[in-house]
Amino acid sequence: EVQLVESGGGLVRPGGSLRLSCVGSGFTFSTYWMSWVRQAPGKVPEWVANIKEDGSEIAYVDSVKGRFTISRDNARNSLYLQMNRLTDEDTAVYYCARSYLSRALYDQWGRGTLVTVSS
Amino acid sequence: DIVVTQFPDSPAVSLGERATINCKSSQSVLYSSNNKDYLAWYQQKPGQPPKLLIYWASTRESGVPDRFSGSGSGTDFTLTISSLQAEDVAVYYCQQYYDTPYTFGQGTKLEIK
Repeated sequence: EVQLVESGGGLVRPGGSLRLSCVGSGFTFSTYWMSWVRQAPGKVPEWVANIKEDGSEIAYVDSVKGRFTISRDNARNSLYLQMNRLTDEDTAVYYCARSYLSRALYDQWGRGTLVTVSS
Repeated sequence: DIVVTQFPDSPAVSLGERATINCKSSQSVLYSSNNKDYLAWYQQKPGQPPKLLIYWASTRESGVPDRFSGSGSGTDFTLTISSLQAEDVAVYYCQQYYDTPYTFGQGTKLEIK
């Protein structure tokens, strides 16, 4: 069974940092593009970043460029999102999502981890 | 950015009746080199992540009931539920995966009349 399990969310003050992790199991992690997608409470899902199978291609939504860094460790079946200079607009549930057939078509999602930015 | 707009916002449909949700993209998501529309539909229930229903505008994901179907090409797309079941109450999103930033529609909350 395919599983994606996120961790690392929590309450952080504006300007702070947080590192999210996602561990995949039940599939060959190293052969899939992976993404972070976030969803603020009551809002639409928003693509944040994605990374190619070998990490050689990365893309970000403009609102997080220069602040967030996506990375992966295929030996650990893990995806990461380093988030710096957080603002209240970054408050959301962050989902780890697997892409297949196309780099941004998400066939498997984790349950998400909540990030709350508040003073 | 490609803007994806869904309508209606909150249709109310009777059990057993047909439900239709429309989605329009601000530019074509048809990739000419492979003749595929980079448009997907997701279902989201409270407290759960989105679930992929339809991709390439009309291909049903494995395990999705055949009462769900997708149609359209270019900029105009439709998700149809042929006979609404109680478990279909959810928010439905269309998403374009043609170009960054990959964008979702604003969502359509499907309710039982």
